[in-house]
Amino acid sequence: DQQVKQNSPSLSVQEGRISILNCDYTNSMFDYFLWYKKYPAEGPTFLISISSIKDKNEDGRFTVFLNKSAKHLSLHIVPSQPGDSAVYFCAASFSGYALNFGKGTSLLVTP
Amino acid sequence: KAGVTQTPRYLIKTRGQQVTLSCSPISGHRSVSWYQQTPGQGLQFLFEYFSETQRNKGNFPGRFSGRQFSNSRSEMNVSTLELGDSALYLCASSLVGGGAGANVLTFGAGSRLTVL
Repeated sequence: DQQVKQNSPSLSVQEGRISILNCDYTNSMFDYFLWYKKYPAEGPTFLISISSIKDKNEDGRFTVFLNKSAKHLSLHIVPSQPGDSAVYFCAASFSGYALNFGKGTSLLVTP
Repeated sequence: KAGVTQTPRYLIKTRGQQVTLSCSPISGHRSVSWYQQTPGQGLQFLFEYFSETQRNKGNFPGRFSGRQFSNSRSEMNVSTLELGDSALYLCASSLVGGGAGANVLTFGAGSRLTVL
């Protein structure tokens, strides 16, 4: 039973524009949400996180928004760069235990 | 400092065999988690170890097992391999694991298992 869903398997964006990756979850007990980025032949690397007591967290070009009532979060990348092309995973947990991951969204940033 | 190291990186087994995968966490990290990545299911949680004790387990059959040693290094074992066990197995470490905030995991590059 997939508790974290990324409904867009892929996304293509032009360099310099905004990339918006979406994620939905079903378990209202989740209190931490994270985004990871994965390049081929490498393990996922942590990008940014947000706790359920916040609705926005920003780190440089990356911003995560959390809408608890809709059980929805999104990752904004502004401006998008070719090096951002990767698979992005959304993950959620209860108190940091047993991260539940979505299936990923493959982002392609074109020059 | 060195990252999370997984060995072997690639391996091929046949149905019915067993396999052992190894993971060396970042120095000082006491929690080690294992995930299975397949194209259809994404990353699925297998189990987490902390101080040599399994603290959490995902929804996998008993053929999947693991352990953690006193130096925090971990191994996972899959017995009686099935074709569906073909996947990328990822190990991740963190300082103390769950119960301490967001628990940001640092992943290794994975062990790609192919079952023929």
